[in-house]
Amino acid sequence: QVQLQESGPGLVKPSQTLSLTCTVSGDSMNSGGYYWSWIRQHPGKGLEWIGYIYFSGSSYYNPSLKSRLTMSVDTSKRQFSLKLRSVTAADTAVYYCARQVSKTYFDPWGQGTLVTVSS
Amino acid sequence: DIQMTQSPSTLSASVGDTVTITCRASQTINTWLAWYQQKPGKAPNLLIYKASTLENGVPSRFSGSGSGTEFTLTISSLQPDDFATYYCQQYNTSPWTFGQGTKVEIK
Repeated sequence: QVQLQESGPGLVKPSQTLSLTCTVSGDSMNSGGYYWSWIRQHPGKGLEWIGYIYFSGSSYYNPSLKSRLTMSVDTSKRQFSLKLRSVTAADTAVYYCARQVSKTYFDPWGQGTLVTVSS
Repeated sequence: DIQMTQSPSTLSASVGDTVTITCRASQTINTWLAWYQQKPGKAPNLLIYKASTLENGVPSRFSGSGSGTEFTLTISSLQPDDFATYYCQQYNTSPWTFGQGTKVEIK
C-alpha cells in the first residue's frame, strides 16, 4: 500500500524559504489520476489545502499562497517537494503531504511534520 | 472559496451513543464531500467519500448522508476508538476546503 513521508527542517527563520520533501513508497507516482498534494494545519486549527503537483510536473496552487509557492516532482526518486518563500510566523503549522484521488479526496496522508517559523 | 461550516464544534458523548455531526457548504457541492477522522498527533484518515461511500476498512457504524449544501456524519454505537476530531472536505470546486472540525469527547 502507498505510504508517504515528509522530511525537511523543523525550524525556519522569518523571511526565508520553507522547503519540504515528500517521499512516496509502495507505488509508482506515474499512475494517472493521482495528484500529489500538500496540506497544512495551524496549531490547534483546521486544515488548509496548499496545492498539488501531477507526475507530469503540472501544478495548481491555492490562490491564497500562489505568489510564494513552488512545487516540483521527481518521479525517479518518488519524491515531490514544496517551497514556500518569505515565510512569517503565520506559516507555522504541521505540513502534510497526501495523495489526492482524481482531484477529489485525500488518501493516504503522510504523518505530518511541524515547521516553526521563528528567529 | 466554498466555506464549510461544521456543527457542533465539540460534542460530548458516551460509549454506545449515536452521534451526528453536520457540515454545511456555502454553496451547492452536489455529493462531492469527504469525511476524515483525526486523532491527536496523527494525520487525518479518510472515512467517507462522495458523501456516503464508506472507505474500505472503515467500520459500518460510520455513515454519511446529504447532498447540495447539508451533510451529516453519523456514528452509531460510539466506541472508545471513535473519540477524535472529525473534518468534512468539499471537492466540488477548487481550492478544496475543509470544515473547522468537530471534536467528539468523552462525557
